[in-house]
Amino acid sequence: NAGVTQTPKFRVLKTGQSMTLLCAQDMNHEYMYWYRQDPGMGLRLIHYSVGEGTTAKGEVPDGYNVSRLKKQNFLLGLESAAPSQTSVYFCASSYWEGGDEQFFGPGTRLTVL
Amino acid sequence: KQEVTQIPAALSVPEGENLVLNCSFTDSAIYNLQWFRQDPGKGLTSLLLIQSSQREQTSGRLNASLDKSSGRSTLYIAASQPGDSATYLCGADMRFGAGTRLTVKP
Repeated sequence: NAGVTQTPKFRVLKTGQSMTLLCAQDMNHEYMYWYRQDPGMGLRLIHYSVGEGTTAKGEVPDGYNVSRLKKQNFLLGLESAAPSQTSVYFCASSYWEGGDEQFFGPGTRLTVL
Repeated sequence: KQEVTQIPAALSVPEGENLVLNCSFTDSAIYNLQWFRQDPGKGLTSLLLIQSSQREQTSGRLNASLDKSSGRSTLYIAASQPGDSATYLCGADMRFGAGTRLTVKP
């Protein structure tokens, strides 16, 4: 099992450019999450999904969109990147929310110039 | 709104010492609390998961406790080693603390 994988590992964007981050899991998990991690601020939830075809907003959703067309994939999109979106992005998955363990991917380091 | 706080932000101890990391949360209605380890530039590795109906979990030298009524969890590390040096984060459902950066000196 590969667990949770993320593509790409690193990316540099210019302000206003768009991109999509891909998260894939092979554990048949229902729940998937996107977090961002900034120095001194811990992880903050951007969006999450409770199953194929569903998405919900988290703590810091502005400037991001997500899609969950397939159960194993969760995409995070930046339509018009801003320097404030420079961060490390982590994807996670769990079988269900209540009382279940979250598994994390290795992260994507994004820099917006 | 759930808020998760970890104190201290950084901790340095000599090898062999037992230590406790603290995590507090504001909303006691949590499903679970999870402790993670994060090495520099890496992702999060799950250490222990405590479900809301449990009071503690143990794995090797690690012991985590949960007191929902007081909104607190602790991670106890016994006989610390230099390899334990990392940042430790706690997560209450989908909310995380900023972490405690632990350095164990040989």
